[in-house]
Amino acid sequence: DIVMTQSPDSLAVSLGERATINCKSSQSVLYDSNNENYLAWYQQKAGQPPKLLIYWASTREFGVPDRFSGSGSGTDFTLTISTLQAEDVAVYYCQQYYSIPLTFGGGTKVEIK
Amino acid sequence: EVQLVQSGPEVKKPGEPLKISCQGFGDTFAKYWIAWVRQMPGKGLEWMGIIYPSDSDTKYSPSFQGQVTISADKSSGTAYLQWSSLKASDTAMYFCARPGGRSSIYYGMDVWGQGTTVTVSS
Repeated sequence: DIVMTQSPDSLAVSLGERATINCKSSQSVLYDSNNENYLAWYQQKAGQPPKLLIYWASTREFGVPDRFSGSGSGTDFTLTISTLQAEDVAVYYCQQYYSIPLTFGGGTKVEIK
Repeated sequence: EVQLVQSGPEVKKPGEPLKISCQGFGDTFAKYWIAWVRQMPGKGLEWMGIIYPSDSDTKYSPSFQGQVTISADKSSGTAYLQWSSLKASDTAMYFCARPGGRSSIYYGMDVWGQGTTVTVSS
């Protein structure tokens, strides 16, 4: 299984400031034949199902604000919230869909400082 | 717009069987894979397995193989997750979700059900 490790477990950021979440996979999720990273990011607010934010490591899902961005390749990835808004308080998960079983990171809780 | 609607909360005793459902509306249900994801209380997300309703091809996480059964009825547009004998450790929220690529497992999951809470207690 590919193990996904997120850091930090939690972070508190002031409104309007940048939040950065890291995700590392135990093996590369870059598929050579199409040069795509099989990596997604989800946001889960309290009491709600997860919501897809980013796929292919850096492609924003339709309707997701452009303050959310994804970067990285191979085994190291980052989700950045450029200017934190109150509605961004949530737990964020990375997930690899490169191989079965698909696996999630442990989650990063983002709060307002 | 596609939606996945899950069955309601369940309270069961250890040893009882259970089958929960996930019904798709608004799109070609049978042509997309449907996954099940577990979230234990206060914990993260765990991918359990996935089914292709068109031919019932099913793949399980090793962690859940033999512990649950995933099935689907393409005529009713419904996927199922079932247990033959529940344990207290099965207490969790269970989500169904759809990878966004038609006929492919290997996409981010862009449609989620609202979740079904399963509580197993004596």
